Amino acid sequence: QVQLVESGGGVVQPGRSLRLSCAASGFAFSDYGMHWVRQAPGQGLEWVAIIWSDGHKKFYADSVEGRFTISRDNSKNTLYLHMNSLRAEDTAVYYCTRRTYGGNSFDYWGQGALVTVSS
Amino acid sequence: QSALTQPASVSGSPGQSITISCTGPSSDVVNYNYVSWYQQHPGEAPKLMIYDVNKRPSGVSNRFSGSKSGNTASLTISGLQAEDEADYYCSSSPTSSTLWVFGGGTKLTVL
Repeated sequence: QVQLVESGGGVVQPGRSLRLSCAASGFAFSDYGMHWVRQAPGQGLEWVAIIWSDGHKKFYADSVEGRFTISRDNSKNTLYLHMNSLRAEDTAVYYCTRRTYGGNSFDYWGQGALVTVSS
Repeated sequence: QSALTQPASVSGSPGQSITISCTGPSSDVVNYNYVSWYQQHPGEAPKLMIYDVNKRPSGVSNRFSGSKSGNTASLTISGLQAEDEADYYCSSSPTSSTLWVFGGGTKLTVL
């Protein structure tokens, strides 16, 4: 079965960096685009970034453009989110999600990784 | 502020039907042909319930259905059950001017 398992969350000071990982299993990882979606405490969902299956195309939300970098290692079935210059407003649960094959929805989600930006 | 507007809350009694709307501006901003809906129980990850306006993933109850009319997409849940109580989010796929967006979410209470 499809599994997405995030790791790397934690407490980080403003201005510092953090890297999230998402280990994928149960499907052909290299065939699927992958997203990061986040959810601030008590708030709704916010799309963060997408990377195409081959890693050649990447797009970001305006709120993270220039600070966050999405990447993947298809040999390791792993998705990454490198977060730099973190701000308090980046505090959220970060979900790794799979792009529906040939479509534009998010068909499988990980359990999420909590990132808290605080001094 | 999201490009997609949902009611903050809806409620219904067991066995009844409810509809949650998802409204946006023009089709330049929202791709109404590819709206999807997600269910999220407290403390859990979201779950895909409807994609491409009205398609159900395998395993999702046929009590859940989607539709669209003009600039509004809708999720209807028939035969409400206690386990349907959750937050529901709509989402639209990219257009020429926007990337993926979510609605603000609707809290469904089963009375």
